[in-house]
Amino acid sequence: KAGVTQTPRYLIKTRGQQVTLSCSPISGHRSVSWYQQTPGQGLQFLFEYFSETQRNKGNFPGRFSGRQFSNSRSEMNVSTLELGDSALYLCASSLAGYGSSTDTQYFGPGTRLTVL
Amino acid sequence: GNSVTQMEGPVTLSEEAFLTINCTYTATGYPSLFWYVQYPGEGLQLLLKATKADDKGSNKGFEATYRKETTSFHLEKGSVQVSDSAVYFCALTTRINTGNQFYFGTGTSLTVIP
Repeated sequence: KAGVTQTPRYLIKTRGQQVTLSCSPISGHRSVSWYQQTPGQGLQFLFEYFSETQRNKGNFPGRFSGRQFSNSRSEMNVSTLELGDSALYLCASSLAGYGSSTDTQYFGPGTRLTVL
Repeated sequence: GNSVTQMEGPVTLSEEAFLTINCTYTATGYPSLFWYVQYPGEGLQLLLKATKADDKGSNKGFEATYRKETTSFHLEKGSVQVSDSAVYFCALTTRINTGNQFYFGTGTSLTVIP
């Protein structure tokens, strides 16, 4: 089975621009979660999508948004980029059956975003 | 609330040394516990997991036992190799009404020197 893929792998943007990152989950996985990873803050949860609906959300400003398509692929958008948005953005997919405590997240390689 | 606390790094060991990375958690209900590993320039990979108390997860010589009484899930390896150099994350997931929520520790960087 192919793993989680993320595109692009690297991005350089300037302040004020917007960016869209893409994630394709493992086939059959319906849940996609996004995380921001920075050296100072570690791994921070952004949001989770399941069946095209945002199911959980972390504590990030509204500039961070996402969506999920009917094939479970997900995109994350960041508008009005700030220097502090420079980070590795990780996507993870899981089967995510409701009430399953054995669920496991599988991560993609990440998109490295640099904001200048 | 739910949280994971793992030992601060960085940790530097000589090859063949014994490794312990401490992880404790706070959770409501009955969480599942995980260790993930991140090699330089890559995403996180699942290393091992345990889904109930007293379960032992193991993989590639690493082990961790789910201890409910001490709310711990310490990672151990008897003899580390240079190739084990990476960042290790402890994580938990709990059942909530809207599905599963994952919580990660801050990561512990391990460097193994020949």
